[in-house]
Amino acid sequence: DSGVTQTPKHLITATGQRVTLRCSPRSGDLSVYWYQQSLDQGLQFLIQYYNGEERAKGNILERFSAQQFPDLHSELNLSSLELGDSALYFCASSPGGDYTEAFFGQGTRLTVV
Amino acid sequence: AQSVAQPEDQVNVAEGNPLTVKCTYSVSGNPYLFWYVQYPNRGLQFLLKYITGDNLVKGSYGFEAEFNKSQTSFHLKKPSALVSDSALYFCASNQAGTALIFGKGTTLSVSS
Repeated sequence: DSGVTQTPKHLITATGQRVTLRCSPRSGDLSVYWYQQSLDQGLQFLIQYYNGEERAKGNILERFSAQQFPDLHSELNLSSLELGDSALYFCASSPGGDYTEAFFGQGTRLTVV
Repeated sequence: AQSVAQPEDQVNVAEGNPLTVKCTYSVSGNPYLFWYVQYPNRGLQFLLKYITGDNLVKGSYGFEAEFNKSQTSFHLKKPSALVSDSALYFCASNQAGTALIFGKGTTLSVSS
């Protein structure tokens, strides 16, 4: 158990809908990262938050947004969903902004039908 | 731009034989390098990292990796493979304060 908790584990929704994925980082970790894993694109970095502030942006679509709350949990919002958004979404956390290894949650499997 | 390449989609090895999973990187400055493993329907688990120092890094479950600056490589190795090592392996890199960039992954299949 990495100590990173993601909910829900599975999500099935229709095209055009909006969903929210939730992540609780390991206790004491200030950085949260979101990744998307799909068969064709591999593991893609979406966005990083550090202590409530956006730190880095990767290949995140404009239809997607995220935030980190004062208690350090984070949410990833996906809107106007398309079939191609079906993927495994991972959250990871690390202690600080400088680099140490990241610890990953079990992921949320999103299926858009 | 920073990138990580894993040239093999799949590596097959017999149990008890040594294994190598290859990784090369392209990073300006000093790279931080990592290996992660993913079992089916699970998140990624950290195996080992290279930040600085000794070029041979030892990690979890008997794995090690060798950093080679001249060849910009960070290959994962294990002297004797187990069937339970069968999984998807990711090499990753970053620089201080930035997010991890992952390679596409290599599926390791260990046969008994």
